[in-house]
Amino acid sequence: EPEVTQTPSHQVTQMGQEVILRCVPISNHLYFYWYRQILGQKVEFLVSFYNNEISEKSEIFDDQFSVERPDGSNFTLKIRSTKLEDSAMYFCATQGDPGPEETQYFGPGTRLLVL
Amino acid sequence: GENVEQHPSTLSVQEGDSAVIKCTYSDSASNYFPWYKQELGKRPQLIIDIRSNVGEKKDQRIAVTLNKTAKHFSLHITETQPEDSAVYFCAAPRGGADGLTFGKGTHLIIQP
Repeated sequence: EPEVTQTPSHQVTQMGQEVILRCVPISNHLYFYWYRQILGQKVEFLVSFYNNEISEKSEIFDDQFSVERPDGSNFTLKIRSTKLEDSAMYFCATQGDPGPEETQYFGPGTRLLVL
Repeated sequence: GENVEQHPSTLSVQEGDSAVIKCTYSDSASNYFPWYKQELGKRPQLIIDIRSNVGEKKDQRIAVTLNKTAKHFSLHITETQPEDSAVYFCAAPRGGADGLTFGKGTHLIIQP
């Protein structure tokens, strides 16, 4: 069964550094999402992306965050200047068909630790 | 936007017994309710979902019920097994916007 993949699995960075998290969606999926999960807490929506532009973003997704799909395959989340509170697990999710009733499939996550 | 409340936060049951996890939601327009299982350090995995045109859905030992009038939905696991131990999240669409709003999760512990 096709799966969403993410790299790296773990990333340790210094506060103020830029990080790029990568996601390879399920083939033919066109709707992409980033979520984060702070340790021991619930999964929180960050941003949705379709047709090479952001569809929706939450209040968490401030100017430090950006997303793009640079090569038609990878879907990336960039954090420009990381803060301690950015430490979390970041999940990519993809969806094959439009609409809020369609299933989202999650990647294995990237555990980001900001020191 | 949608607000999802989930109870209990921790549930401990004896192996073989049933477990029930409950969620409420705020947006009456929501019509899709997935349940995800997350094992320690792993991705959330969809285990069952329900759409508002039905009141109950079953898949082997797992069932989900939906009460649209009361705006709540529940996950039922029967004949629990050790491998059912995990954190379970309910979710609902973000009030007409993209993405999902998740509950805070239930840590299900199956006692041998």
